[in-house]
Amino acid sequence: GIQVEQSPPDLILQEGANSTLRCNFSDSVNNLQWFHQNPWGQLINLFYIPSGTKQNGRLSATTVATERYSLLYISSSQTTDSGVYFCAVANTGANSKLTFGKGITLSVRP
Amino acid sequence: DAGVIQSPRHEVTEMGQEVTLRCKPISGHDYLFWYRQTMMRGLELLIYFNNNVPIDDSGMPEDRFSAKMPNASFSTLKIQPSEPRDSAVYFCASSSFGKASTDTQYFGPGTRLTVL
Repeated sequence: GIQVEQSPPDLILQEGANSTLRCNFSDSVNNLQWFHQNPWGQLINLFYIPSGTKQNGRLSATTVATERYSLLYISSSQTTDSGVYFCAVANTGANSKLTFGKGITLSVRP
Repeated sequence: DAGVIQSPRHEVTEMGQEVTLRCKPISGHDYLFWYRQTMMRGLELLIYFNNNVPIDDSGMPEDRFSAKMPNASFSTLKIQPSEPRDSAVYFCASSSFGKASTDTQYFGPGTRLTVL
């Protein structure tokens, strides 16, 4: 099956700093989503972004499908951004069957 | 909309007992997914339904696990008999693929299952 690698595995930031989270995948995809799991365990969808660039407030994401990677940018980080960020993909043959990466644990310190 | 609803939120049971987890998807969504999250294995897709029909159950770990979707607004995941290694957080998610050129999945709050 498709492989998803996220980096770095852990990230510690001072409040106000910017960061880039990376997701590499091993095969063509037609579905890529970024999720944030908050410290209470709730999974929130951030972006549906199989290609191109999207922005939502302080967050933006870019997927370069031909090079098999996606980036999530967090600007002016806040303590509420802490949690685990997951990238999930589905390949062309199974659009709804998402495979999740192991996640990136982000800690934003005040 | 209330979002995806799961019950119970926490379940503690003893080995050998039957466990039933419940999910109500977002109204109008035609896809429903069951995931399991553990420290060792991360987030795994167990099974998903389209229009109440199971499409792929290859992630269901054993015959002890079964899932049903009798109608568009309700699904169950059953474990019988339960074992300590089934302890995990079980998430239900739903999506409306194709209706808005997006396949965004919306997750419920999860059920934390502990099998003693």
